[in-house]
Amino acid sequence: DAKTTQPNSMESNEEEPVHLPCNHSTISGTDYIHWYRQLPSQGPEYVIHGLTSNVNNRMASLAIAEDRKSSTLILHRATLRDAAVYYCILRGGDLNYGGSQGNLIFGKGTKLSVKP
Amino acid sequence: EAQVTQNPRYLITVTGKKLTVTCSQNMNHEYMSWYRQDPGLGLRQIYYSMNVEVTDKGDVPEGYKVSRKEKRNFPLILESPSPNQTSLYFCASRDTGSNQPQHFGDGTRLSIL
Repeated sequence: DAKTTQPNSMESNEEEPVHLPCNHSTISGTDYIHWYRQLPSQGPEYVIHGLTSNVNNRMASLAIAEDRKSSTLILHRATLRDAAVYYCILRGGDLNYGGSQGNLIFGKGTKLSVKP
Repeated sequence: EAQVTQNPRYLITVTGKKLTVTCSQNMNHEYMSWYRQDPGLGLRQIYYSMNVEVTDKGDVPEGYKVSRKEKRNFPLILESPSPNQTSLYFCASRDTGSNQPQHFGDGTRLSIL
């Protein structure tokens, strides 16, 4: 699996936007970019994923660079509840999903702190 | 509510005493898996299952067993637990199809003395 690089930690103020970067310079053409987050004392939680185009959902937006070597998770208005470790993960687009395709390779992620 | 339920949430036990951590999902997902999370090592997959009676090893399967007799359940079995299996364990499930998101349980913290 291609590797991702994220800052170890970031800080934000409540109600301000947060941009969480991820570099993935060795991404292949079929790799999807997934983001998960893990709140304290909870299991990881799916946030968003995309392939080439920018994506929006109720939780966040995902901006993908044109060359796909980097992406940014955008939280439009951070709340205290958004304080978590955010993981950027590349996942192969093998459509059979079988074998270890379901295995998400979690790196260290970015620990986001949100200040009131 | 769609969820993955693990039990127990916490367990302290002794070396060699067999234990089972149960995992159940109510989303009719075919794919289920177990992860362990350790400081500095992140989440690592132990075993996964693509369907009933189909299981396979993940990255760190030693010392663990699993079974998948029903679609909704995927228990993790430690036949003879050892202190190096003290960890935080997560069960996950997902639907078939490319890039379906994984749903995780809230975790089971095991301490093996």
